[in-house]
Formats: sequence, structure tokens, C-alpha cells
Amino acid sequence: DADVTQTPRNRITKTGKRIMLECSQTKGHDRMYWYRQDPGLGLRLIYYSFDVKDINKGEISDGYSVSRQAQAKFSLSLESAIPNQTALYFCATSDLAEGGRETQYFGPGTRLLVL
Amino acid sequence: AQSVTQPDIHITVSEGASLELRCNYSYGATPYLFWYVQSPGQGLQLLLKYFSGDTLVQGIKGFEAEFKRSQSSFNLRKPSVHWSDAAEYFCAVGPNAGNMLTFGGGTRLMVKP
Repeated sequence: DADVTQTPRNRITKTGKRIMLECSQTKGHDRMYWYRQDPGLGLRLIYYSFDVKDINKGEISDGYSVSRQAQAKFSLSLESAIPNQTALYFCATSDLAEGGRETQYFGPGTRLLVL
Repeated sequence: AQSVTQPDIHITVSEGASLELRCNYSYGATPYLFWYVQSPGQGLQLLLKYFSGDTLVQGIKGFEAEFKRSQSSFNLRKPSVHWSDAAEYFCAVGPNAGNMLTFGGGTRLMVKP
């Protein structure tokens, strides 16, 4: 079984709709992240959470919100979807070793199309 | 601010040929460096990482990368490419001020038979 799972894997929605993307992990990591991927832009960070009570904005958080329901679950919501939020969304988790050495592990991605 | 540049958006190589994917970074101190691969329809898989020590790093699937501080580079290499290596490759550097990773724009590798 995959360590980091995302649901749904694909989603088509209409402008103005609220949608939620979910992420679950079995790695036991405290840190979780949401990224979006657009062609030629690499991955850009939307939100991140270092533990259940800690939520932080990334570089492109406008139009998004998150919820950390448990150590293993981190959800991303689009309150009112717009077409330029069409992208591939990735969840990631990480361990933080001594000295700040951190490796991120990614889920399979959710492909979102906003019409 | 730190940044990562992958100069080649697309690269095509013949199966069996050698491969080098370029990654240049801007960072104020000794960075942590990563290469990830994204196969079609898949998530990102960690190929290798550099934290410290030996500047030549071995990864999975026969890949290696060399950290060259003087050139601010962390190029990915493979001596003989297989058709299954066709994918998109991302270089990343960290940590930044928020303990985050910064990703390059990616290089898409195509393999000719």
C-alpha cells in the first residue's frame, strides 16, 4: 500500500464550486504539505503543517484553505474554484532529522480541472 | 532568495546513450539538494539526495548526481538510459527561510528507441 494517498485522483468541477482534496499518510510524519504543479513552473507550495495545531501559508495560498484533521490527514479546499486553479495537486510528508535534514515524500497527485 | 534553474525544458536521448540533466541553484550556504522523478500519471519519487559528505551521490535506478559547489550545480547523470526512464525530472534545494524546498521547473526526458 502507498504511504501517501490522495483522493480523488481526478476531478472536474465548475467555476464557483467548493471542492476538497484529501491526503492521508501512513508514514507517521508530523510535517505535511500541499503543492500545485503547473507546466514549466515546477511545484509551488500552497500550505504546510508541522503538526496538528500548526498551519502555515505557502507562497500561493490565496483562494485555498486547509484542515489538519489528524497527524495522518491534511485536506486542501478550494472555497470557490476558478479556472486558473486547474492544475496537478500534490500532497507531501516529511521527516525532520537532526540538523534540519528533511526529505519529502509525495503522493500520486490529484488532477483538477475547473471549467 | 534561493532559486533553482533547470536550463533544459526538454531533452531527447537514444536508448542506451548517456544522460546528464542540469541543475543550477542559488543559495547562501551549503544547500540540501534533491532530485525527484515524475513518471506519467505518477507522483514524485525521490531519486537521490545530498546533505553533506561525498559530493558524488548514488541514487536509485542507476542514477547519480554530483554536487559542485564552485559551479553551484547538482547535475543528474546516468550512463545508459532505458526507455522506462522517460519522465519529468525535478531538482530541488532547501531549506529556505521557512524550512521549505524550492523546486526547479523540471526537465522532460524523452527516450528514442
